Amino acid sequence: EVQLVESGGGLVQPGGSLRLSCVASGFTFNNYWMTWVRQAPGKGLEWVANIKEDGSEKYYVDSVKGRFTISRDNAKKSLYLQMSSLRAEDTAVYYCVRLRSGYGDSLDYWGQGTLVTVSS
Amino acid sequence: DIQMTQSPSSLSASIGDRVTITCRTSQGVRSFLNWYQLKPGKAPKLLIYAVSTLQSGVPSRFSGSGSGTDFTLTISSLQPEDFATYYCQQSSNIPYTFGQGTNLETK
Repeated sequence: EVQLVESGGGLVQPGGSLRLSCVASGFTFNNYWMTWVRQAPGKGLEWVANIKEDGSEKYYVDSVKGRFTISRDNAKKSLYLQMSSLRAEDTAVYYCVRLRSGYGDSLDYWGQGTLVTVSS
Repeated sequence: DIQMTQSPSSLSASIGDRVTITCRTSQGVRSFLNWYQLKPGKAPKLLIYAVSTLQSGVPSRFSGSGSGTDFTLTISSLQPEDFATYYCQQSSNIPYTFGQGTNLETK
């Protein structure tokens, strides 16, 4: 069974930093691109970043470029999102998601999410 | 960026109803159009990928269709567990973008 378990969310002040983690199980982690998607309170879904199987390619939504860094450790089957210079508008539930290439490049498995709150 | 226009934003329906949600993209997305279901407190779920292919385990009452810039998600006979929020999403171009969501409520 595919499982994605996020951790690391919490309350952080504006301008602060936070590192989200996601541990994967039930599939061969290093065979898949991985993605972070977020949902602000009362809002829709927003794609945040993608990372290739070997970490050699990374893509970001413009609003987080230069502030967020996606990374992975295939030996630990883990995905990360390092967030810095956090703003109130980054407040959201952050989902770790598996990207299935070649099938509409669909987001086929999602974690339960971890809540990040940016507030003073 | 590819803009996604999803409609309606909310929909009231009854058990057994046929429901259709539409998604229009600002430019062609080829077959890179997917649909998701969100329920509070649960992990989002992929329903349809590549426009019309049913994800494994998803009931056959769900179907997807469309081409170019116009796409639809249809639920042929609404069941109690289908009351949720639905999103379309394109993976043709970075940044991936989602529709605004359709909140399907019981009438």
